[in-house]
Amino acid sequence: ETGVTQTPRHLVMGMTNKKSLKCEQHLGHNAMYWYKQSAKKPLELMFVYNFKEQTENNSVPSRFSPECPNSSHLFLHLHTLQPEDSALYLCASSQGGGEPQHFGDGTRLSIL
Amino acid sequence: SQQGEEDPQALSIQEGENATMNCSYKTSINNLQWYRQNSGRGLVHLILIRSNEREKHSGRLRVTLDTSKKSSSLLITASRAADTASYFCATGLNDMRFGAGTRLTVKP
Repeated sequence: ETGVTQTPRHLVMGMTNKKSLKCEQHLGHNAMYWYKQSAKKPLELMFVYNFKEQTENNSVPSRFSPECPNSSHLFLHLHTLQPEDSALYLCASSQGGGEPQHFGDGTRLSIL
Repeated sequence: SQQGEEDPQALSIQEGENATMNCSYKTSINNLQWYRQNSGRGLVHLILIRSNEREKHSGRLRVTLDTSKKSSSLLITASRAADTASYFCATGLNDMRFGAGTRLTVKP
């Protein structure tokens, strides 16, 4: 139990579907992150939120839309995805400023 | 952006042996972190070493940092089969960047 919960754990969707990934942290952290992990590639930072404000957008395509309604919840809205978007999507939280990050177990996303 | 690069990409050892993984990075850092990831799970933080520290220990883990060479190493002593996982180094503040990792296999 890391204190960071991601749902769903697995998701299969077609390219025209719209779905959302959810992340919740119970650690009182101020910063939350989305990462993409593809096979044989380094972990890619997608978005960073500090105190609910987006502070980092690592050139992510607009078909990925993050939402952070409060410091405990983070969503990643998905629409019109491509096959190359199939990956493990990891959420993390921390106190910010380079402090250790706590990760959820990810959502394994498969695009048909 | 800063990004760690681990070496080797894969390492296979027998239980009881020591495992050493290396990380190199490109720019100056405030700290460097090591994480572990079991297959199909999220990353777990192992240890953080600050730029003014040279060595840090945590149980069977020993991390060194050489800022002049922009490199760090993670030593796992007396390895166990349960240490089988991927290990990543990471640098950065809010924009933390991870390397591609070292896949460690410890054979019983």
